[in-house]
Amino acid sequence: TQLLEQSPQFLSIQEGENLTVYCNSSSVFSSLQWYRQEPGEGPVLLVTVVTGGEVKKLKRLTFQFGDARKDSSLHITAAQPGDTGLYLCAGARGTPGSSNTGKLIFGQGTTLQVKP
Amino acid sequence: ETGVTQTPRHLVMGMTNKKSLKCEQHLGHNAMYWYKQSAKKPLELMFVYSLEERVENNSVPSRFSPECPNSSHLFLHLHTLQPEDSALYLCASSKFRDRAISYEQYFGPGTRLTVT
Repeated sequence: TQLLEQSPQFLSIQEGENLTVYCNSSSVFSSLQWYRQEPGEGPVLLVTVVTGGEVKKLKRLTFQFGDARKDSSLHITAAQPGDTGLYLCAGARGTPGSSNTGKLIFGQGTTLQVKP
Repeated sequence: ETGVTQTPRHLVMGMTNKKSLKCEQHLGHNAMYWYKQSAKKPLELMFVYSLEERVENNSVPSRFSPECPNSSHLFLHLHTLQPEDSALYLCASSKFRDRAISYEQYFGPGTRLTVT
């Protein structure tokens, strides 16, 4: 069974602090995605990383895919209350152009609470 | 309407009832998914439809019956559910890219189901 383990599972910080969320697996993924889910809503895609070692930035959020494509991290700089939510990582197997069902393996999520 | 919509947003049903969840995507996508989200557990993929054909069924009990009449609509028919089926049911869609399903999924807001 492929597992994606996220850590920490829960994080409560003050506005302005920095934080890092980790997503680890023993399996190799062809790509990995990060989603954010707010209460009462579905997950919203933040980013997709494909290449080992790839770094992508989305304003104050920095995403990195591990060199071996088995792990990823999300770093938030100067967190704000609007960053509060459930952060999910999801890994994909298979390669573009091959038959696949679009199946993603999800981590259990990291709940982030940013206090004003 | 834009994106992925789901109705109803909340549903309370008895164990002997029959109900249906509806999902509609307005993104021109070709693949649709049903997920179950329970507290403190990873998102569980239930079904995948690609071009209206079911391509994945993750050992879901027969009391859940999906239907995909066209590429824009997806239903989940429910009958004789158990209390442990109470959860948030999420619908998602994705498009084909390079003749394969893209792993980038767009989620609806979910239906919060409570089985009494």
